[in-house]
Amino acid sequence: EVQLLESGGGLEQPGGSLRLSCLASGPAFNNFAMSWVRQTPGKGLEWVSTITGSGDRTYYADSVKGRFTISRDNSKNTLYLQMNSLRAEDTALYYCVSDRRQQAIHFQGFYWGQGTLVTVSS
Amino acid sequence: SYVLTQPPSVSVAPGKTAKITCGGNNIASFSVHWYQQKTGQAPVLVIYFDTERPSGIPERFSASNSGNTATLTISRVEAGDEADYYCQVWNSDNNHLVFGGGTQLTVL
Repeated sequence: EVQLLESGGGLEQPGGSLRLSCLASGPAFNNFAMSWVRQTPGKGLEWVSTITGSGDRTYYADSVKGRFTISRDNSKNTLYLQMNSLRAEDTALYYCVSDRRQQAIHFQGFYWGQGTLVTVSS
Repeated sequence: SYVLTQPPSVSVAPGKTAKITCGGNNIASFSVHWYQQKTGQAPVLVIYFDTERPSGIPERFSASNSGNTATLTISRVEAGDEADYYCQVWNSDNNHLVFGGGTQLTVL
């Protein structure tokens, strides 16, 4: 059983930056593709980004491409999301999500963290 | 971009069967996954690869995928099934993960 704990959320001004982290506990973190999924309160789920288990491939939603960077440190069992040039519309609860497979294709969110709240406002 | 369409809401009486649809162009060619999200909680995977149930998910949850519609079926609905349900696919054409808009299931 994988447990995921996000951190790094908070209040940031438009144009600013934040780095989210997700610490995974459980076996074989490096075997699992990981994603960030966000949700605005009262709204649906929105995919942000996915990274393969080895970290060799990354994928981004059009809305964040060029501004956000997903990465992972398998030696630390940690997933990251570097968020630059933040906009008001990036305000959301950000979930860290894990598959049970290496590859990103057909990604399935078997494990979810409880989320970290990002608020972008002046 | 690929779009998944779900009805905003479905209502069902306890003990009856609820069907939640997820429409998409030739969705049968995709692997569909379903999530349940109760109020104030993170989503939970209830169906993966069209029809598979993760361990711990009751057999009352089943699903199908054919043509342009995938369907999540919840049999013998209980009050505790009240939640938002989302379908999801991975679009290999552009390597994007896509969620449906979600369906709020109300147990009458």
